[in-house]
Amino acid sequence: QVQLQESGPGLVKPSETLSLTCSVSGGSVSSATYYWSWIRQPPGKGLEWIGCMYYSGSSNYNSSLKSRVTISVDTSRNQFSLKLSSVTAADTAIYYCARGDDITVAGRGAFDYWGQGTLVIVSS
Amino acid sequence: DVVMTQSPLSLPVTLGQPASISCRSSQSLVYSDGNTYLNWFQQRPGQSPRRLIYKVSNRDSGVPDRFSGSGSGSDFTLKISRVEAEDVGVYYCMQGTHWPWTFGQGTKVEIK
Repeated sequence: QVQLQESGPGLVKPSETLSLTCSVSGGSVSSATYYWSWIRQPPGKGLEWIGCMYYSGSSNYNSSLKSRVTISVDTSRNQFSLKLSSVTAADTAIYYCARGDDITVAGRGAFDYWGQGTLVIVSS
Repeated sequence: DVVMTQSPLSLPVTLGQPASISCRSSQSLVYSDGNTYLNWFQQRPGQSPRRLIYKVSNRDSGVPDRFSGSGSGSDFTLKISRVEAEDVGVYYCMQGTHWPWTFGQGTKVEIK
């Protein structure tokens, strides 16, 4: 059974960089079949896709965040990470990591496994 | 960006009665390969989202068959044939055809 677990600071100061890690068990981040994504949800609000990374190293990001976002994969630790720079209070949210299912089967954006989410508050 | 518009945003339903959620996109979701990448997710209170439906109408394993997805182009629907207590939560449609991928605002299903 695939499991994803987010970790990182729950409090980040404005203008600093938010850094989160997603640890994957029961599957490999270096698999060519799947891709790895971050999605966030401001408290009490809806979901926003942040970006995703493929085994090849290629990535796609939400244009609204593109200049501030980096997603990377660490195959040695079976983890992938999110960095979001120059944060403001608007970046306060629950951050989820998720696995994108086999595109040839389930198609694009079909996240099949999600982490439990981690709340990040941006405040001084 | 493609705007996904769900309606209603709040849906009170009597147990055992049907429920229907509409999701409309600002552009056609037909991809260049001919597929339509429209997914539905359920988020129960206090939980992470869970995928219910992918590519418009393909139900995930373990998802009760009272859930069904349909639609084409830019007009999609999630139906629950007979609502049960465990169906309470927020339902999101999400398109994976156009970058950036975008979610609908969510529809909150509650029991009357």
